[in-house]
Amino acid sequence: EAAVTQSPRNKVAVTGGKVTLSCNQTNNHNNMYWYRQDTGHGLRLIHYSYGAGSTEKGDIPDGYKASRPSQENFSLILELATPSQTSVYFCASGDGGPAETLYFGSGTRLTVL
Amino acid sequence: AQSVTQPDARVTVSEGASLQLRCKYSSSVTPYLFWYVQYPRQGLQLLLKYYSGDPVVQGVNGFEAEFSKSNSSFHLRKASVHWSDSAVYFCAVSIFSGSWQLIFGSGTQLTVMP
Repeated sequence: EAAVTQSPRNKVAVTGGKVTLSCNQTNNHNNMYWYRQDTGHGLRLIHYSYGAGSTEKGDIPDGYKASRPSQENFSLILELATPSQTSVYFCASGDGGPAETLYFGSGTRLTVL
Repeated sequence: AQSVTQPDARVTVSEGASLQLRCKYSSSVTPYLFWYVQYPRQGLQLLLKYYSGDPVVQGVNGFEAEFSKSNSSFHLRKASVHWSDSAVYFCAVSIFSGSWQLIFGSGTQLTVMP
Protein backbone atom coordinates (compact mmCIF):
# COMPACT_ATOMS: atom_id res chain seq x y z
CA GLU A 1 0.00 0.00 0.00
CA ALA A 2 1.25 3.45 -0.92
CA ALA A 3 2.26 5.47 2.08
CA VAL A 4 3.77 8.70 3.30
CA THR A 5 5.74 8.37 6.51
CA GLN A 6 6.91 11.27 8.64
CA SER A 7 9.44 11.31 11.44
CA PRO A 8 9.60 12.16 14.22
CA ARG A 9 5.96 12.07 15.32
CA ASN A 10 6.64 14.58 18.07
CA LYS A 11 9.56 16.96 18.58
CA VAL A 12 10.48 19.45 21.25
CA ALA A 13 13.19 21.93 20.28
CA VAL A 14 14.81 24.95 21.87
CA THR A 15 14.76 28.41 20.39
CA GLY A 16 17.71 28.89 18.06
CA GLY A 17 18.24 25.19 17.57
CA LYS A 18 18.22 23.32 14.27
CA VAL A 19 15.30 21.02 13.50
CA THR A 20 14.96 18.56 10.63
CA LEU A 21 11.64 16.95 9.80
CA SER A 22 11.78 13.95 7.51
CA CYS A 23 9.31 12.52 5.04
CA ASN A 24 9.44 9.33 2.99
CA GLN A 25 6.96 8.24 0.34
CA THR A 26 6.53 4.91 -1.39
CA ASN A 27 4.00 6.25 -3.91
CA ASN A 28 6.65 7.01 -6.56
CA HIS A 29 5.12 10.46 -6.93
CA ASN A 30 7.14 13.29 -8.41
CA ASN A 31 5.45 15.97 -6.31
CA MET A 32 5.98 16.40 -2.59
CA TYR A 33 4.81 19.12 -0.25
CA TRP A 34 5.32 20.47 3.26
CA TYR A 35 2.40 22.16 5.01
CA ARG A 36 1.88 23.52 8.47
CA GLN A 37 -1.46 23.40 10.21
CA ASP A 38 -2.52 26.00 12.74
CA THR A 39 -5.94 26.54 14.25
CA GLY A 40 -7.97 28.95 12.16
CA HIS A 41 -5.55 28.83 9.22
CA GLY A 42 -6.15 25.45 7.69
CA LEU A 43 -3.08 24.17 5.88
CA ARG A 44 -0.47 26.55 4.56
CA LEU A 45 2.14 25.54 2.00
CA ILE A 46 5.77 26.00 3.06
CA HIS A 47 7.83 24.30 0.34
CA TYR A 48 7.24 21.83 -2.44
CA SER A 49 9.20 19.78 -4.93
CA TYR A 50 8.63 18.44 -8.43
CA GLY A 51 11.31 15.78 -8.19
CA ALA A 52 14.70 14.85 -6.84
CA GLY A 53 16.98 17.86 -6.58
CA SER A 54 14.20 20.44 -6.90
CA THR A 55 12.63 22.61 -4.23
CA GLU A 56 10.24 25.52 -4.60
CA LYS A 57 8.96 28.11 -2.15
CA GLY A 58 5.36 27.96 -1.13
CA ASP A 59 3.23 30.61 0.51
CA ILE A 60 5.11 30.85 3.83
CA PRO A 61 8.76 29.81 3.22
CA ASP A 62 10.47 32.27 5.56
CA GLY A 63 12.49 30.51 8.24
CA TYR A 64 12.34 27.15 6.46
CA LYS A 65 14.52 25.27 4.00
CA ALA A 66 13.70 22.10 2.11
CA SER A 67 15.76 19.31 0.65
CA ARG A 68 14.76 16.61 -1.86
CA PRO A 69 17.74 14.28 -2.22
CA SER A 70 15.78 11.49 -3.84
CA GLN A 71 12.35 10.65 -5.27
CA GLU A 72 11.34 9.13 -1.95
CA ASN A 73 12.64 11.65 0.59
CA PHE A 74 11.78 15.26 1.30
CA SER A 75 13.03 17.08 4.40
CA LEU A 76 12.03 20.34 6.02
CA ILE A 77 14.77 22.18 7.86
CA LEU A 78 14.45 24.88 10.47
CA GLU A 79 17.97 26.31 10.84
CA LEU A 80 17.10 28.60 13.75
CA ALA A 81 13.85 27.47 15.31
CA THR A 82 11.57 30.07 16.86
CA PRO A 83 8.47 29.66 19.08
CA SER A 84 6.31 30.95 16.18
CA GLN A 85 7.21 27.76 14.33
CA THR A 86 5.41 25.66 16.93
CA SER A 87 2.83 23.85 14.83
CA VAL A 88 1.80 20.56 13.28
CA TYR A 89 3.65 19.83 10.05
CA PHE A 90 2.32 17.60 7.29
CA CYS A 91 4.13 16.12 4.36
CA ALA A 92 2.23 14.99 1.28
CA SER A 93 2.96 13.44 -2.08
CA GLY A 94 0.92 14.09 -5.19
CA ASP A 95 0.19 12.32 -8.44
CA GLY A 96 0.45 15.51 -10.49
CA GLY A 97 -1.82 17.72 -12.58
CA PRO A 98 -4.63 20.12 -11.72
CA ALA A 99 -6.82 17.41 -10.24
CA GLU A 100 -3.94 16.02 -8.24
CA THR A 101 -4.80 13.93 -5.19
CA LEU A 102 -2.51 14.51 -2.22
CA TYR A 103 -1.54 11.67 0.08
CA PHE A 104 -0.63 12.90 3.53
CA GLY A 105 1.53 11.60 6.31
CA SER A 106 0.29 11.53 9.89
CA GLY A 107 2.03 14.75 10.84
CA THR A 108 4.81 15.94 13.14
CA ARG A 109 3.92 17.99 16.19
CA LEU A 110 6.74 20.46 16.77
CA THR A 111 7.03 22.52 19.94
CA VAL A 112 9.72 25.19 20.10
CA LEU A 113 10.40 26.38 23.63
CA ALA B 1 -6.94 36.69 -5.04
CA GLN B 2 -8.17 33.15 -4.98
CA SER B 3 -9.61 31.96 -1.69
CA VAL B 4 -11.68 29.32 -0.02
CA THR B 5 -14.10 30.08 2.81
CA GLN B 6 -15.62 27.59 5.19
CA PRO B 7 -17.95 29.77 7.26
CA ASP B 8 -18.65 27.22 9.98
CA ALA B 9 -15.69 26.46 12.23
CA ARG B 10 -17.70 23.88 14.21
CA VAL B 11 -20.82 21.85 13.43
CA THR B 12 -22.56 19.45 15.80
CA VAL B 13 -25.24 17.03 14.63
CA SER B 14 -26.93 13.97 16.05
CA GLU B 15 -26.18 10.51 14.74
CA GLY B 16 -28.53 9.64 11.89
CA ALA B 17 -29.20 13.27 11.01
CA SER B 18 -28.39 14.78 7.64
CA LEU B 19 -25.36 16.99 7.19
CA GLN B 20 -24.28 19.92 5.07
CA LEU B 21 -20.87 21.55 5.38
CA ARG B 22 -20.51 24.80 3.49
CA CYS B 23 -17.71 25.90 1.22
CA LYS B 24 -17.46 29.00 -0.95
CA TYR B 25 -14.62 29.83 -3.27
CA SER B 26 -13.42 32.93 -4.99
CA SER B 27 -12.05 32.45 -8.49
CA SER B 28 -12.41 34.06 -11.88
CA VAL B 29 -12.59 30.63 -13.51
CA THR B 30 -14.11 27.36 -12.37
CA PRO B 31 -11.40 25.71 -10.30
CA TYR B 32 -10.82 22.09 -9.46
CA LEU B 33 -12.63 21.50 -6.18
CA PHE B 34 -11.89 19.04 -3.40
CA TRP B 35 -13.06 17.91 -0.01
CA TYR B 36 -10.56 16.28 2.34
CA VAL B 37 -11.21 14.78 5.78
CA GLN B 38 -8.83 14.63 8.75
CA TYR B 39 -9.57 12.07 11.44
CA PRO B 40 -7.97 12.57 14.87
CA ARG B 41 -4.19 12.23 14.89
CA GLN B 42 -4.09 11.47 11.17
CA GLY B 43 -3.24 13.24 7.94
CA LEU B 44 -5.82 14.40 5.45
CA GLN B 45 -7.57 11.98 3.11
CA LEU B 46 -9.43 12.78 -0.09
CA LEU B 47 -13.22 12.44 0.09
CA LEU B 48 -14.08 13.62 -3.41
CA LYS B 49 -13.15 16.05 -6.17
CA TYR B 50 -14.85 17.87 -9.04
CA TYR B 51 -13.97 19.78 -12.18
CA SER B 52 -16.68 19.36 -14.74
CA GLY B 53 -19.78 17.39 -15.65
CA ASP B 54 -22.57 16.47 -13.25
CA PRO B 55 -22.53 19.12 -10.52
CA VAL B 56 -23.22 16.45 -7.90
CA VAL B 57 -20.18 14.30 -7.29
CA GLN B 58 -20.12 11.17 -5.16
CA GLY B 59 -17.35 10.40 -2.72
CA VAL B 60 -16.40 7.78 -0.20
CA ASN B 61 -18.46 6.72 2.81
CA GLY B 62 -21.74 8.13 1.45
CA PHE B 63 -20.54 11.71 1.08
CA GLU B 64 -21.46 13.83 -1.90
CA ALA B 65 -20.89 17.44 -2.87
CA GLU B 66 -22.73 19.81 -5.16
CA PHE B 67 -21.04 22.44 -7.26
CA SER B 68 -22.89 25.67 -7.91
CA LYS B 69 -21.30 28.09 -10.33
CA SER B 70 -23.85 30.80 -9.67
CA ASN B 71 -23.20 30.66 -5.93
CA SER B 72 -19.46 29.87 -6.16
CA SER B 73 -20.08 27.06 -3.73
CA PHE B 74 -19.16 23.43 -3.27
CA HIS B 75 -21.12 22.18 -0.26
CA LEU B 76 -20.57 18.73 1.21
CA ARG B 77 -23.57 16.59 2.18
CA LYS B 78 -24.38 13.29 3.77
CA ALA B 79 -27.86 11.87 4.23
CA SER B 80 -27.26 10.14 7.56
CA VAL B 81 -24.14 10.66 9.66
CA HIS B 82 -22.45 8.15 11.92
CA TRP B 83 -20.41 8.85 15.03
CA SER B 84 -17.30 7.79 13.10
CA ASP B 85 -17.78 10.77 10.77
CA SER B 86 -16.56 13.05 13.55
CA ALA B 87 -13.50 14.74 12.05
CA VAL B 88 -12.24 17.98 10.52
CA TYR B 89 -13.36 18.58 6.94
CA PHE B 90 -11.40 20.78 4.56
CA CYS B 91 -12.56 22.26 1.32
CA ALA B 92 -9.81 23.03 -1.20
CA VAL B 93 -9.43 24.52 -4.65
CA SER B 94 -6.73 23.94 -7.25
CA ILE B 95 -5.98 27.00 -9.30
CA PHE B 96 -3.30 27.73 -11.88
CA SER B 97 -1.04 30.63 -10.97
CA GLY B 98 2.22 29.89 -12.75
CA SER B 99 1.81 26.37 -11.48
CA TRP B 100 -1.11 24.47 -10.01
CA GLN B 101 -1.67 25.55 -6.42
CA LEU B 102 -3.94 23.82 -3.91
CA ILE B 103 -5.53 26.27 -1.47
CA PHE B 104 -7.24 24.93 1.63
CA GLY B 105 -10.05 26.43 3.63
CA SER B 106 -9.70 26.75 7.39
CA GLY B 107 -11.67 23.58 8.05
CA THR B 108 -14.91 22.62 9.80
CA GLN B 109 -14.81 20.49 12.93
CA LEU B 110 -17.73 18.05 12.79
CA THR B 111 -18.93 16.40 15.98
CA VAL B 112 -21.55 13.67 15.73
CA MET B 113 -23.43 13.12 18.98
CA PRO B 114 -24.60 9.57 19.73
